Amino acid sequence: TQLLEQSPQFLSIQEGENLTVYCNSSSVFSSLQWYRQEPGEGPVLLVTVVTGGEVKKLKRLTFQFGDARKDSSLHITAAQPGDTGLYLCAGDSNYQLIWGAGTKLIIKP
Amino acid sequence: NAGVMQNPRHLVRRRGQEARLRCSPMKGHSHVYWYRQLPEEGLKFMVYLQKENIIDESGMPKERFSAEFPKEGPSILRIQQVVRGDSAAYFCASSPWRDGGEQFFGPGTRLTVL
Repeated sequence: TQLLEQSPQFLSIQEGENLTVYCNSSSVFSSLQWYRQEPGEGPVLLVTVVTGGEVKKLKRLTFQFGDARKDSSLHITAAQPGDTGLYLCAGDSNYQLIWGAGTKLIIKP
Repeated sequence: NAGVMQNPRHLVRRRGQEARLRCSPMKGHSHVYWYRQLPEEGLKFMVYLQKENIIDESGMPKERFSAEFPKEGPSILRIQQVVRGDSAAYFCASSPWRDGGEQFFGPGTRLTVL
């Protein structure tokens, strides 16, 4: 059974701080996606990483795919209250996405 | 190009009633996925459908749950004889191709069973 473990499950920090969220698995994925979900809404795709070692930047968000394509990280620089939400990673396994349980992030002003 | 549409957004049912959840995929997308999400948890895969075909229903309970994606019209997730444990948010996603990749999500239907 393929599993994706996200950590931490919950993170509450002050505005301006940096943070990193991790997504780990013992399985290899052909690609990995990061989504953000706000209360009452569906997940919205942030980025897809495909190549081992790949780094993608989206403004203050930096996404990295591990060399072995088993793990990924999301780093947020100078977090803002607007970054608050549930961050989900999902690994691509054929036609099915294997989902992490999510990291609930709260940025306090 | 409209996104994935789901209706209703909120559905309240009494125990024993039927719930029908609808999903219209994005234009040009022929692959539909249904997920269930409990509060403060990630998404659980339920079923994957293409037009007129169920490809994988391994995540869907064998009893009371069914799904279809007809040639014309939206995909339907049907829950018969609902129980309180069925209360959850149900999300539909669509994609234009089969082999994994990006899925685009609807806003979800929040089912409450009284």
